[in-house]
Amino acid sequence: KQEVTQIPAALSVPEGENLVLNCSFTDSAIYNLQWFRQDPGKGLTSLLLIQSSQREQTSGRLNASLDKSSGRSTLYIAASQPGDSATYLCAVSGVGNYQLIWGAGTKLIIKP
Amino acid sequence: GAGVSQSPRYKVAKRGQDVALRCDPISGHVSLFWYQQALGQGPEFLTYFQNEAQLDKSGLPSDRFFAERPEGSVSTLKIQRTQQEDSAVYLCASSTQGMEQKLFFGSGTQLSVL
Repeated sequence: KQEVTQIPAALSVPEGENLVLNCSFTDSAIYNLQWFRQDPGKGLTSLLLIQSSQREQTSGRLNASLDKSSGRSTLYIAASQPGDSATYLCAVSGVGNYQLIWGAGTKLIIKP
Repeated sequence: GAGVSQSPRYKVAKRGQDVALRCDPISGHVSLFWYQQALGQGPEFLTYFQNEAQLDKSGLPSDRFFAERPEGSVSTLKIQRTQQEDSAVYLCASSTQGMEQKLFFGSGTQLSVL
């Protein structure tokens, strides 16, 4: 059974720092991996989607990497801003099914 | 529409009541998903539709949960005889096609069962 873990559960850093969020999964037979952002009281916003054949995806100040063989993904945020404060979740989809398996998220606080 | 719309935004139900939660996906999106999210946790898959066909309902926690999408657009998640453990945020998401594309989520319905 696929399990997704995100460490740390919470992270607080000063504005301007670069930071890395971690996601690990137990079954390497994934179809793709997505990183989402969730703001309080709001739905989830997809940030980056990495197909299983890809190693990384970039969008603006965000870069997500995928190492399928080791069951790990990282989300790198450059030059963090207070507006980046949110909970970040990663989710993996398995081959041949439609379910996303989610981590519990990392709550990120960027201090001005 | 501009995004995925869910209603109501909040629902308070007495234990034993039936509730119906509505999801209006992005126009033209073939795939529609329902997820359940408990406080402080990641979402849990409930069910998946491709157009009007319910292809996967393995995540529905009991036979009190029922979902439909009769015309391949709007979907309704119905919970019969609600229990306290049903209290959660119910999220709807849609995509152009299956798991190949990014999912677009609604803001969710927060259900509280008293």
